[in-house]
Amino acid sequence: SAVISQKPSRDICQRGTSLTIQCQVDSQVTMMFWYRQQPGQSLTLIATANQGSEATYESGFVIDKFPISRPNLTFSTLTVSNMSPEDSSIYLCSAGGVTNEKLFFGSGTQLSVL
Amino acid sequence: GNSVTQMEGPVTLSEEAFLTINCTYTATGYPSLFWYVQYPGEGLQLLLKATKADDKGSNKGFEATYRKETTSFHLEKGSVQVSDSAVYFCALMRYDKIIFGKGTRLHILP
Repeated sequence: SAVISQKPSRDICQRGTSLTIQCQVDSQVTMMFWYRQQPGQSLTLIATANQGSEATYESGFVIDKFPISRPNLTFSTLTVSNMSPEDSSIYLCSAGGVTNEKLFFGSGTQLSVL
Repeated sequence: GNSVTQMEGPVTLSEEAFLTINCTYTATGYPSLFWYVQYPGEGLQLLLKATKADDKGSNKGFEATYRKETTSFHLEKGSVQVSDSAVYFCALMRYDKIIFGKGTRLHILP
């Protein structure tokens, strides 16, 4: 199994600012993903964080808005840029192994944008 | 495209009642199917999974059978407990990506 530490756990931010969320896994993992969970909605995949290369974004998400880094096999960051109230959500980091048939999740970052 | 549809919540049951949470999926090929659970104040965790047709996943008294003919993966438990109160997410995996349903909140009354 893998333990994922995500921080901050919550933050309240002003419109137009940016927030970087950090995700640390206690073991090397092949796959890391970032999800968003808006109130009353399902988890939506933002992007796959690729180690040593640019992230792969899902439809509707772009690098300028959600830049992602993954410098090694245990760490990734997601930045929410130029925030607006519509970005208020829970952001979740997840990680999986080679077969990726079991994803582990961090406890999430609850973001509120005023 | 790939998607998961699960029954709307919240679902409220009395302790020891029988539980069914419906889940259907749309996918190309043969996805793996999962149920994840999120207990209050905790992160998501895998409850059970099935990787091919007719497989039955089970854990903690919960079961779900991969039904290819009906593209379904309904979650069942014969006798629920108050501690089962949580949000349950049905999900599928295709091409290394997991796609989730909207979640079903379950309340169990003592």
